[in-house]
Amino acid sequence: SQTIHQWPATLVQPVGSPLSLECTVEGTSNPNLYWYRQAAGRGLQLLFYSVGIGQISSEVPQNLSASRPQDRQFILSSKKLLLSDSGFYLCAWSGVGGSQPQHFGDGTRLSIL
Amino acid sequence: AQKVTQAQTEISVVEKEDVTLDCVYETRDTTYYLFWYKQPPSGELVFLIRRNSFDEQNEISGRYSWNFQKSTSSFNFTITASQVVDSAVYFCALKPFIQGAQKLVFGQGTRLTINP
Repeated sequence: SQTIHQWPATLVQPVGSPLSLECTVEGTSNPNLYWYRQAAGRGLQLLFYSVGIGQISSEVPQNLSASRPQDRQFILSSKKLLLSDSGFYLCAWSGVGGSQPQHFGDGTRLSIL
Repeated sequence: AQKVTQAQTEISVVEKEDVTLDCVYETRDTTYYLFWYKQPPSGELVFLIRRNSFDEQNEISGRYSWNFQKSTSSFNFTITASQVVDSAVYFCALKPFIQGAQKLVFGQGTRLTINP
């Protein structure tokens, strides 16, 4: 069966520091991968998605970037964190095809001080 | 434009009551998919159901049931005989059927609290 791993679970970082969140999927090949952010008490905002290695689509202009160095690895990065980057970050994967649901990792709670 | 509205921000009921979570969507696409997800306090989103736009049959899974009405662009979710473990934030989501475009449009969520 497929599983998705996301780490770390929680992270506290100072303003201006770099960021790297990692997500890996097991049990499937060539998944579509996604990064979402959820601000406190609000809905989910799609940040990036990828349909293949090295293929990244950005949904909103922001201080973050994403990379997909391997088929089942998706990384969310920032060179300098802002206070507004605080939130709950969720990685997700789906099979190829419009009907496929997205399956989410456990999330990372990021606090910027 | 795609949009999902969950007008109920918070709902609180007593255990064993039935509760319905509303979801209204907007899309110009003729083919699309609708989803419900559950987010318990631990944070992860759990996939509950997928429905395509051609299938308006209602679905029941245990205490959960879904009512899809294309005429009113609604996809409501009912929990029968609610339990404390049902307490969570529930999200309705819409995805157009476009090859290569995999964007889920989420509603703002409904926080459901089941009191013992």
